[in-house]
Amino acid sequence: QKEVEQDPGPLSVPEGAIVSLNCTYSNSAFQYFMWYRQYSRKGPELLMYTYSSGNKEDGRFTAQVDKSSKYISLFIRDSQPSDSATYLCAMRFPHSGSARQLTFGSGTQLTVLP
Amino acid sequence: EAQVTQNPRYLITVTGKKLTVTCSQNMNHEYMSWYRQDPGLGLRQIYYSMNVEVTDKGDVPEGYKVSRKEKRNFPLILESPSPNQTSLYFCASSSAGVNTEAFFGQGTRLTVV
Repeated sequence: QKEVEQDPGPLSVPEGAIVSLNCTYSNSAFQYFMWYRQYSRKGPELLMYTYSSGNKEDGRFTAQVDKSSKYISLFIRDSQPSDSATYLCAMRFPHSGSARQLTFGSGTQLTVLP
Repeated sequence: EAQVTQNPRYLITVTGKKLTVTCSQNMNHEYMSWYRQDPGLGLRQIYYSMNVEVTDKGDVPEGYKVSRKEKRNFPLILESPSPNQTSLYFCASSSAGVNTEAFFGQGTRLTVV
């Protein structure tokens, strides 16, 4: 069993739709949770960063962490064609710098159709 | 501009021919890592470095070597590449501390035939 499970998709939605992306994980020691966005032929870039449980909102994006269920989500409101990318969840343990060890999900490929 | 630079971006090589993929960052970051990305498997860490001359294995280190002689550079060495090392490789860097962001390079697509 992988430490982090993520539905690979692909997921296609019409412009303006609400998108829900999810990951589950098995190691309860993870404390930092991130979502990365990766455009085709580019490196991942940090989109959202959350510590422990709770919600975090940034514009059209909301990240949720439920540590009791070992489940994290990313919601995208009013999705745009420019949101078309692969979304990777990632997590790490406390006391480790982020380039030291991130554990990634396999990524969900999202296409927002105009 | 803050960035992580990898070279080359694309490389096709033959089995057994030693190669090096370079990685350089201009942010004075302590931590640097190498990942490989494969379909269905996501990003998996190969090696990481916490500072100059300090390196450690990640999840999939077999067949790879690294060195960290200077803070800004973290080359990935494949002494004898094999076809199962065909992959997309990313270098990442971040500063020390817990609330830090990892910055990724543009990737190196390696094909071993």
